[in-house]
Amino acid sequence: EVQLQESGPGLVKPSQSLSLTCSVTGYSITSNYWGWIRKFPGNKMEWMGYISYSGSTSYNPSLKSRISITRDTSKNQFFLQLNSVTTEDTATYYCARWGLRRGFDYWGQGVMVTVSS
Amino acid sequence: DIQMTQSPSVLSASVGDRVTLNCKASQNINKYLNWYQQKLGEAPKLLIYNTNNLQTGIPSRFSGSGSGTDYTLTISSLQPEDVATYFCFQHNSWLTFGSGTKLEIK
Repeated sequence: EVQLQESGPGLVKPSQSLSLTCSVTGYSITSNYWGWIRKFPGNKMEWMGYISYSGSTSYNPSLKSRISITRDTSKNQFFLQLNSVTTEDTATYYCARWGLRRGFDYWGQGVMVTVSS
Repeated sequence: DIQMTQSPSVLSASVGDRVTLNCKASQNINKYLNWYQQKLGEAPKLLIYNTNNLQTGIPSRFSGSGSGTDYTLTISSLQPEDVATYFCFQHNSWLTFGSGTKLEIK
């Protein structure tokens, strides 16, 4: 079974970088696409970006200057880095797999990240 | 961006009721509409993809319909374990989510 698990610091200071890891078991990240999504307080959700089976990336234009998604295929992990964070980046961050022609089909449980000094 | 509007934001119904949740897109999304269920503290679960396709392992009491800009998730007979927040998601043009419907048992 495909399983995803997010990990990373729960507290980040303003202006610093947010770095999260998604560890995948049961499926290789060299297949499919793998994305990051976040859910803000108040429940608005935003797609942030994804990395493909080949390592190419696509980002939400609203984040394009601050976001980077990379991967380590040897560890079957992919990563999110969001630079210059503000309090508005406080959210629960999810990683997910993009299923063929069916959108995000497997998700992690999410990790809550608070941006505060 | 395509905006997704869900209604109602909160729905209270009795066990055994037929329940309908709505999702409206700001423009035609060509049936590229998914429904997810999220229980408190759990990962979102894909229920329905591309309007009316039941994801493997999902009970048949869940169904989806719609076209153009208007889409519906129906639970034919509400069960206690269906208490959750349900959100829609379009993947026709970029990717955007609805704000969710919280489903409660009356």
